[in-house]
Amino acid sequence: DSGVTQTPKHLITATGQRVTLRCSPRSGDLSVYWYQQSLDQGLQFLIQYYNGEERAKGNILERFSAQQFPDLHSELNLSSLELGDSALYFCASSAYYNYGYTFGSGTRLTVV
Amino acid sequence: AQKVTQAQTEISVVEKEDVTLDCVYETRDTTYYLFWYKQPPSGELVFLIRRNSFDEQNEISGRYSWNFQKSTSSFNFTITASQVVDSAVYFCALSEVDRDDKIIFGKGTRLHILP
Repeated sequence: DSGVTQTPKHLITATGQRVTLRCSPRSGDLSVYWYQQSLDQGLQFLIQYYNGEERAKGNILERFSAQQFPDLHSELNLSSLELGDSALYFCASSAYYNYGYTFGSGTRLTVV
Repeated sequence: AQKVTQAQTEISVVEKEDVTLDCVYETRDTTYYLFWYKQPPSGELVFLIRRNSFDEQNEISGRYSWNFQKSTSSFNFTITASQVVDSAVYFCALSEVDRDDKIIFGKGTRLHILP
């Protein structure tokens, strides 16, 4: 157990729907990062939060949004889902700047 | 812009052979960090090593070793006496200190260790 908890582990939903992925970072880690892993694009950085504030943004679609709450857990919201959004979504957390991440086990999203 | 290239998409070796995974990176910064992560078939991402740009010493950890050469912008990973359990996808990654600490990953090398 890495200490980073992601729920749910698997999610199957229909096109056009909206889902929320949840991440609880390791105890004491203030930074949370979201990544999308698809077969053709590899591991793509989506967004980073630090202590509740958005810190960096990658190629995140406008249909996607995220937030980090006061208890430091984070949620990634994906809306108007398309078949191409099917992927493994990872959350990671870190304690120190540039120390490296600890990843959760991921949420596998399948859009049908 | 930061970029990580892992030219080897897939490698197969027989157990007990040594194997080197190549990683070439691009960055405009003088201060940066390099990483290797392992993704076994179970899917989780496992941190292996972090190296800062000012430390070019090679590192050895058991059967794993890393060779960092700034002159060629490479950070290669060698597994000695490979084992079937080493079968996984290995990702090299880069983080530029001056901007933010997001990590950019290469596309990964899928390593098959054949019994």
